[in-house]
Amino acid sequence: DQQVKQNSPSLSVQEGRISILNCDYTNSMFDYFLWYKKYPAEGPTFLISISSIKDKNEDGRFTVFLNKSAKHLSLHIVPSQPGDSAVYFCAARGGGSNYKLTFGKGTLLTVNP
Amino acid sequence: EAGVAQSPRYKIIEKRQSVAFWCNPISGHATLYWYQQILGQGPKLLIQFQNNGVVDDSQLPKDRFSAERLKGVDSTLKIQPAKLEDSAVYLCASSLDPGNYGYTFGSGTRLTVV
Repeated sequence: DQQVKQNSPSLSVQEGRISILNCDYTNSMFDYFLWYKKYPAEGPTFLISISSIKDKNEDGRFTVFLNKSAKHLSLHIVPSQPGDSAVYFCAARGGGSNYKLTFGKGTLLTVNP
Repeated sequence: EAGVAQSPRYKIIEKRQSVAFWCNPISGHATLYWYQQILGQGPKLLIQFQNNGVVDDSQLPKDRFSAERLKGVDSTLKIQPAKLEDSAVYLCASSLDPGNYGYTFGSGTRLTVV
């Protein structure tokens, strides 16, 4: 039972354009949603998060949007840079006293110069 | 601030052998996590420690996996005996407290079971 789904295994965009990575979830008890970025041979690095009571959070070139009614979130990267090429994981935190993170399978983003 | 340290970086063993991984979290981080990441999948939580105590080990295959965190600092994860399907990257992460969602991950140990 996959509670966090990233349906696009890969995405390719041109440098300077917008990258949009999508994530769907099924558990309405999740209270935080996070995006992690992972380069080869390194551990995932926290990128940005959003509380379930908000619908948008912005940090520089990165913006996360949350649509609770659709159980959908997306990460927008504008403008995309070649250094953004990595695997992006969507993760969700259990609500209440359950702080476990549940991860999606990841999306490989390639930004072409 | 030093990151989460893990060793070894790579390990190749034969099935039915045993293996151990070591993790040193960020100083002062009370919560430590071990995740398993199989190729093509997202990380899956194996066990979560709060100081010395286990908070969640519901997805740890306890017939072959064990983990401990002595003195609330370093942690070891052991597999005995290993199976082919245990081939994965084992990631350790730590956070300041359970509510802190900004986990810091180590670089992981890539295990190959042949």
